Amino acid sequence: GENVEQHPSTLSVQEGDSAVIKCTYSDSASNYFPWYKQELGKRPQLIIDIRSNVGEKKDQRIAVTLNKTAKHFSLHITETQPEDSAVYFCAASIRFLPSNDYKLSFGAGTTVTVRA
Amino acid sequence: DAGVTQSPTHLIKTRGQQVTLRCSPKSGHDTVSWYQQALGQGPQFIFQYYEEEERQRGNFPDRFSGHQFPNYSSELNVNALLLGDSALYLCASSLILWTDNEQFFGPGTRLTVL
Repeated sequence: GENVEQHPSTLSVQEGDSAVIKCTYSDSASNYFPWYKQELGKRPQLIIDIRSNVGEKKDQRIAVTLNKTAKHFSLHITETQPEDSAVYFCAASIRFLPSNDYKLSFGAGTTVTVRA
Repeated sequence: DAGVTQSPTHLIKTRGQQVTLRCSPKSGHDTVSWYQQALGQGPQFIFQYYEEEERQRGNFPDRFSGHQFPNYSSELNVNALLLGDSALYLCASSLILWTDNEQFFGPGTRLTVL
């Protein structure tokens, strides 16, 4: 399978609080997990990614964790700000066997609203 | 350094018509993937081009076809448009097909089918 499940679908947080979005994937061969932020009417922008040989990665207020055994990964945003309000998508690389070609399979998205 | 560009920005068509969308990849990238993003959903993989060939294809009918040119730019063609084809069509470019390199998205083409 190649499903990527993402939860929650909507998330409202108070400015300054943390936001956590969780994703699960089904393809055990997946080894690249990017997170995209999409503001209304704009293109998805890569904000952070993680590869299967790493369990955690952090970039300022954003961090991603990966549990390959459980096949789930999470996005953590700390000290949220109003400009963090957007739709966030997780994705997992899906390999086309027997080639090494791959595509990205996306979750359905999480609408994050940061209340001032 | 030019990022991924797409044209046109918006397009309105009627059922049964045909449409061509265009994409220019980020400078230095050789692989172009096309995605369809329906309202409120995540992008869905349509197909992927490398060295002017369709390498892989998602669960989309043959009405969806594409092309990649020697300069790595790409076109997406949709024939016999249906109302359900209304969506944001995103092009993403990357370097080297068979490594898990990040994909950079273009601004998308918003297609409305009436």
